[in-house]
Amino acid sequence: KAGVTQTPRYLIKTRGQQVTLSCSPISGHRSVSWYQQTPGQGLQFLFEYFSETQRNKGNFPGRFSGRQFSNSRSEMNVSTLELGDSALYLCASSPGQGTIWGYTFGSGTRLTVV
Amino acid sequence: AQSVSQHNHHVILSEAASLELGCNYSYGGTVNLFWYVQYPGQHLQLLLKYFSGDPLVKGIKGFEAEFIKSKFSFNLRKPSVQWSDTAEYFCAVTLDSNYQLIWGAGTKLIIKP
Repeated sequence: KAGVTQTPRYLIKTRGQQVTLSCSPISGHRSVSWYQQTPGQGLQFLFEYFSETQRNKGNFPGRFSGRQFSNSRSEMNVSTLELGDSALYLCASSPGQGTIWGYTFGSGTRLTVV
Repeated sequence: AQSVSQHNHHVILSEAASLELGCNYSYGGTVNLFWYVQYPGQHLQLLLKYFSGDPLVKGIKGFEAEFIKSKFSFNLRKPSVQWSDTAEYFCAVTLDSNYQLIWGAGTKLIIKP
């Protein structure tokens, strides 16, 4: 079956702009989590969605938001981009909420803010 | 704050050497533990996970890890590494019923052929 699909793969934006990233989970998976990966901070949790509801949120400013649709696809939005938002953004899907099933990761969207 | 420590940021080994990568976490409650691997240019893949039961967990590609609760550790091992094991390895935990993964900084493993 198809894996977790993230689009676009690469993105270059200017400071102050906003950006929307997309994640399509594995078919049948209902939980989607987002992570930010940077050389300095490593992997950090952004938020988790399950059944179209945000169930958990990490320590990121309100400029970072997301949503999940009825087909479990998820989008992440970052408004008023800053240079420090340059990172690899990873999406992970799971059959249900919780870790017992483990998470399957996508290849990520590499965002560069200039 | 809860954290995960991977003490070795870079490890260089020759093929057929034995491998042990350290992972320690700081949390006294219930944890679920994971090791992920990221091969060059590829996405994160789950190597193995521990939820409960036998503290010695076997994963894919000959890897195993042992959960030692008294030491708050979950070290990854492989008896004989191959060149294809060159990758970055991440230890991660979730705490109690909180489902967010808390990650270690990663260990870059280079296997010399």
